[in-house]
This record gives sequence, C-alpha cells and structure tokens, in this order.
Amino acid sequence: QSALTQPPSASGSPGQSVTISCTGTSGDIGRYNYVSWYQQHAGKAPKLLIHDVSKRPSGVPDRFSGSKSANTASLTVSGLQAEDEADYYCCSYTSIGGADLRVFGTGTKVTVL
Amino acid sequence: QVQLVESGGGVVPPGGSLRLSCAASGFTFSRSYMHWVRQTPGKGLEWVAIIWSDGGTDFYADSVKGRFTISRDNSENTLHLQMNSLRGEDTAVYYCAKDAQHATFDYWGQGVMVTVSS
Repeated sequence: QSALTQPPSASGSPGQSVTISCTGTSGDIGRYNYVSWYQQHAGKAPKLLIHDVSKRPSGVPDRFSGSKSANTASLTVSGLQAEDEADYYCCSYTSIGGADLRVFGTGTKVTVL
Repeated sequence: QVQLVESGGGVVPPGGSLRLSCAASGFTFSRSYMHWVRQTPGKGLEWVAIIWSDGGTDFYADSVKGRFTISRDNSENTLHLQMNSLRGEDTAVYYCAKDAQHATFDYWGQGVMVTVSS
C-alpha cells in the first residue's frame, strides 16, 4: 500500500492553468477507473473535486477537470483563481487479496502567484 | 444536510488506547460504507480503514492492521475507531468520511486530533 506519487508543489498566475499528476501502479490507477481528487484549504477538511477519474460533483466549477492515462491520473485547474491556492490530493481504489482498500497521493501544494 | 461529527480525541501515552466516535446525520447511515482517514500534522492524507454498511466486513491499512478496529452502530448512526497499542506515528488528525462508491469520499467530518506522547 504505497502512496501514489504527486509533485510536492505547482504554481501559476491568475488565469493560467496548472496540471497535477498522480502516479500509481498497474494495481491501482492502472487497473481501475476509480480515481478521485480532493482540495484542502489550510485547517479545513478535504473537499471532493473529481470522482471516477473525470466526473465533477454538482457545485464544483468546470475549471476543474480530471483525466487518466495508464498508471497516471491528472487534475487540471484552468483559469486559476486566488481561492484555488490549496493542497490537492488524489485517491485510488485498490484491492490486494480481495481486500477493499484505498490509497491517497502524497499531495501537491498549489500556489497562485 | 449531511453532518459528520468526530469526538474522543486527546493526548495518550505510547502503548495506550483511545476510542474515536463519529456521529452521522442527514443521510441513510445504515446503507453507507464509512471510512477513517488521518493526516499527520503538516503532512498528507492516509487512508486508515473502511467498514461496509452492515458492519460485517472491514479492511485496514497495513500501518494500523492488528492495532485498530473500526466498528459501527447503525441503530445510533455512529461510527467508531478503537485504537490500541498507540505509537508516536499515530499522532494525527482523524477524519471520518462517507463513501460514495469507487474510492470517493463525498462528505468529511471536521476532524479530531489524537496526540500520542508521554
């Protein structure tokens, strides 16, 4: 159950786009289309942004989009806004020996310049 | 609206035990899978455990297996985490979270702090 790998940091100016990668293995991201993304502001609980790789819950702006290729999932934030400055985490379903498990990414701090 | 409210955190010495609770409301608790997720101060999220809706099946992260036990009381809409043989590395904010299928946590509690220190 190793954590998924994310870059520690990413940044962009207001209005620009930033893409965060989340790299797993053939046993998690590569096997299942069950990747979700979360935004966490300092001192707050995480908030769901994307589920099932690319689906947005109601209320999440369409500036947030998700995708996946092989063992790597990605979150793109378009039209960066000041309030997008936060930590972002990916999460994948995995199963080992029939166990129903989850694994998070290492997290990426997004800075709006 | 959905609410998840954790309680039971505090300071405990290494080797000690603590029981966390999470009171759920605003959704059909007895039909929902539930999780505990923790976050070490200044670090990332770590999935801890899942319990299926009927309480009969549970799974754990390797880091807590054999020491932590997740349970639920569907008559009281409450989720629990019994933590035994606590270690310094268990110090974290513990969140309960509602499962929405496929590795999706759609609602989170506000978190409760657990500090393991002598």
